[in-house]
Amino acid sequence: GAVVSQHPSRVICKSGTSVKIECRSLDFQATTMFWYRQFPKQSLMLMATSNEGSKATYEQGVEKDKFLINHASLTLSTLTVTSAHPEDSSFYICSALGDKGSGWDTEAFFGQGTRLTVV
Amino acid sequence: QKEVEQNSGPLSVPEGAIASLNCTYSDRGSQSFFWYRQYSGKSPELIMFIYSNGDKEDGRFTAQLNKASQYVSLLIRDSQPSDSATYLCAVNKGRDSGGSNYKLTFGKGTLLTVNP
Repeated sequence: GAVVSQHPSRVICKSGTSVKIECRSLDFQATTMFWYRQFPKQSLMLMATSNEGSKATYEQGVEKDKFLINHASLTLSTLTVTSAHPEDSSFYICSALGDKGSGWDTEAFFGQGTRLTVV
Repeated sequence: QKEVEQNSGPLSVPEGAIASLNCTYSDRGSQSFFWYRQYSGKSPELIMFIYSNGDKEDGRFTAQLNKASQYVSLLIRDSQPSDSATYLCAVNKGRDSGGSNYKLTFGKGTLLTVNP
């Protein structure tokens, strides 16, 4: 079964509104979570890395005020796309990684992904 | 030079044949290498990872790593139509989550089609 659950799997929102995506680790404590974005026929691009209890580290070119990441607990990280626009329409995927020595630290487990469509 | 390069394909093989997928990377400090399979509209799923030079086999899949050539490949034996998907190569600077070294860089993927 899935060890990382991402919700919702699909969302349509109006331009200008905000959308929150949740990523939960089910079987382990995820000290690090990663958020990716994937446009059609493109590869996964890392948006940000979040560690529990601290601010997320954003990749170059990713607007931190637009893509708000909260990693408030060891099992939950959220990505909020604020003031969404049609160009934000994409497939958003999270992955989770356990602490060193936990047995969940060599492979980051992916969520099912969220298809965001902004109309 | 892109960090992780793959032939975008499409690669088309007949059912039962061997499919060979290739990947090169630019960072010599990379230590762990992953192959993912991604079906259309779905999230990537891990096939296998490899750390050491040489071959690593898991069922019908064999990963090959040559750090001197900065090259990693995936062989799929007895290809099945269900193997038709995009195969993503990913490279990591570290081997685990220690030292904040964990950061996967993905290639664009190779689309594989296995024809019945």
